[in-house]
Amino acid sequence: QLQLQESGPGLVKPSETLSLTCTVSGGSISSSSYYWGWIRQPPGKGLEWIGSIYYSGSTYYNPSLKSRVTISVDTSKNQFSLKLSSVTAADTAVYYCARHNVNSNYGNWFDPWGQGTLVTVSS
Amino acid sequence: SSELTQDPAVSVALGQTVRITCQGDSLRSYYASWYQQKPGQAPVLVIYGKNNRPSGIPDRFSGSSSGNTASLTITGAQAEDEADYYCNSRDSSGNHRVVFGGGTKLTVL
Repeated sequence: QLQLQESGPGLVKPSETLSLTCTVSGGSISSSSYYWGWIRQPPGKGLEWIGSIYYSGSTYYNPSLKSRVTISVDTSKNQFSLKLSSVTAADTAVYYCARHNVNSNYGNWFDPWGQGTLVTVSS
Repeated sequence: SSELTQDPAVSVALGQTVRITCQGDSLRSYYASWYQQKPGQAPVLVIYGKNNRPSGIPDRFSGSSSGNTASLTITGAQAEDEADYYCNSRDSSGNHRVVFGGGTKLTVL
């Protein structure tokens, strides 16, 4: 059974870079059928897609965050990572990683999800 | 357009049927996927594609689509279905953008 687990600092200072890693177990991140995505959820608010990456390294990002986001993949470790630069309090959120299915006919869906990790931006 | 609009809150009596809707231009081109999120938990996929349920999702959950509106229907709502529900779709402009609706809080009375 495929499982995803986020890891990284739970507290980041304003103006610094948030860095998280998602470790995939029970399956290969190099599967040609899937992308791998990051989604966040500020406390008490809805879901926001951050971006997704293919195992080859091809990426696409939410235009509203694109200037600050970098997503990378390490197939040797079965991991993918998120970096978000110049963070502010508005970036405080639970960050989730998920396998991202993108289908030309049906659209897209995220399944499964990691349990999520709360990142607080504060000095 | 890449916006998806959901009603903030919906309620249903125990055992009755409820429909949660999601509106957006991208839904004319792509099916929505639907997620259930309970407090303190990660979202769980309940419907994807035309009307597909992942393994383990009860068959009381179903999906449909018409024009720019996608719907998630729960037939015979149970107390454990009380949760937030989010829809999700691809942007239809070809830029690979992914969008989520604002979410619907379902209360089972």
